[in-house]
Amino acid sequence: GAGVSQSPRYKVAKRGQDVALRCDPISGHVSLFWYQQALGQGPEFLTYFQNEAQLDKSGLPSDRFFAERPEGSVSTLKIQRTQQEDSAVYLCASSVLGVTEAFFGQGTRLTVV
Amino acid sequence: SQQGEEDPQALSIQEGENATMNCSYKTSINNLQWYRQNSGRGLVHLILIRSNEREKHSGRLRVTLDTSKKSSSLLITASRAADTASYFCATESQGGSEKLVFGKGTKLTVNP
Repeated sequence: GAGVSQSPRYKVAKRGQDVALRCDPISGHVSLFWYQQALGQGPEFLTYFQNEAQLDKSGLPSDRFFAERPEGSVSTLKIQRTQQEDSAVYLCASSVLGVTEAFFGQGTRLTVV
Repeated sequence: SQQGEEDPQALSIQEGENATMNCSYKTSINNLQWYRQNSGRGLVHLILIRSNEREKHSGRLRVTLDTSKKSSSLLITASRAADTASYFCATESQGGSEKLVFGKGTKLTVNP
């Protein structure tokens, strides 16, 4: 596609529910990033993939958060047993390689009630 | 945790005026980037300045970088209502870490 596509755009989950957020990067982009953006804050790094390899997951806030990119293209961010503090916009970005000029998707706004 | 601070947190100006936003950061960097985010939308890359550069221009945008003070500024000249958005600086730290560290952003409102 023309840009990074994320789905769903909006997700409401009940506390304790598991959710899966999808990211379709720009075709051919090697690097893929997930960020979490709380209301009124800047994005915070969660994890980074180079092709299918998850090279950095230092930003994942707990073991309830899990990300994968099994074929080096589409990526899924999974959050288990969601809690209210997980409410945020989850942004995916991709780039040809590395962090120089990453292209961001529109994000998924997750609300945990 | 976030790298640093943008200043001011919010800025309201009239169309045609210039807008200046500042960013401070904490660690040694490879480069610094500025992004724009319209309400409810994703981030759009505006401009990148490398650590060995002091100033860069792109259209109505002018970015400066002072590595001795660990600070950068973004100037938007002749602002338009369409420039209304939040602006974030993001740094790529030295040391091979493939991640951008964002500031908290400046919310710019340009009044017609």
